[in-house]
Amino acid sequence: DTGVSQDPRHKITKRGQNVTFRCDPISEHNRLYWYRQTLGQGPEFLTYFQNEAQLEKSRLLSDRFSAERPKGSFSTLEIQRTEQGDSAMYLCASSLALAGYEQFFGPGTRLTVL
Amino acid sequence: AQTVTQSQPEMSVQEAETVTLSCTYDTSESDYYLFWYKQPPSRQMILVIRQEAYKQQNATENRFSVNFQKAAKSFSLKISDSQLGDAAMYFCAYGGIQGGSEKLVFGKGTKLTVNP
Repeated sequence: DTGVSQDPRHKITKRGQNVTFRCDPISEHNRLYWYRQTLGQGPEFLTYFQNEAQLEKSRLLSDRFSAERPKGSFSTLEIQRTEQGDSAMYLCASSLALAGYEQFFGPGTRLTVL
Repeated sequence: AQTVTQSQPEMSVQEAETVTLSCTYDTSESDYYLFWYKQPPSRQMILVIRQEAYKQQNATENRFSVNFQKAAKSFSLKISDSQLGDAAMYFCAYGGIQGGSEKLVFGKGTKLTVNP
């Protein structure tokens, strides 16, 4: 399968714990995006990478959130000291750096913070 | 900042009939892209159709077509000959290209039900 994959698909954690999610983009895509989707809302942009460089971060991304994309391949999103408000679906998408190019989405990681 | 508004939280259509989903957006940019994405229940989001703002011609993809009114900042999706498999959440999204990231700004979505 050459689509975008995310792991884990579901994560339940207790408030205050740290969690890390992984995204594997389509191999030839140099752009990678993270979005967050809460119930009844559309996805909201969190951050994006072009190759290994993190070029933009939303103000939604508090200091407890950090993302990496070492070597320009897979990416990880870590949330430290989770809060109940972090409960959401975290979506990863990848694309080529071409104007208007389609973003291909992964299945998402659903995070529940108890 | 750009915003996208979908004023219909839910819509329903009879199988084989036509339905139109509405979307308006706000931007000060002159060049951008607009997208409709489909999110079936518990499945990943997939692109339905894309429109370049500089093109006056409305995009079409098989049973899916758009009515793009740039001056009115309106971008509606028409689904013809609706099928049961069309049932999903539909999200309208704006992709600005001037900032470089082309991050997408999504509306809140419209839940489409297709009745047999």
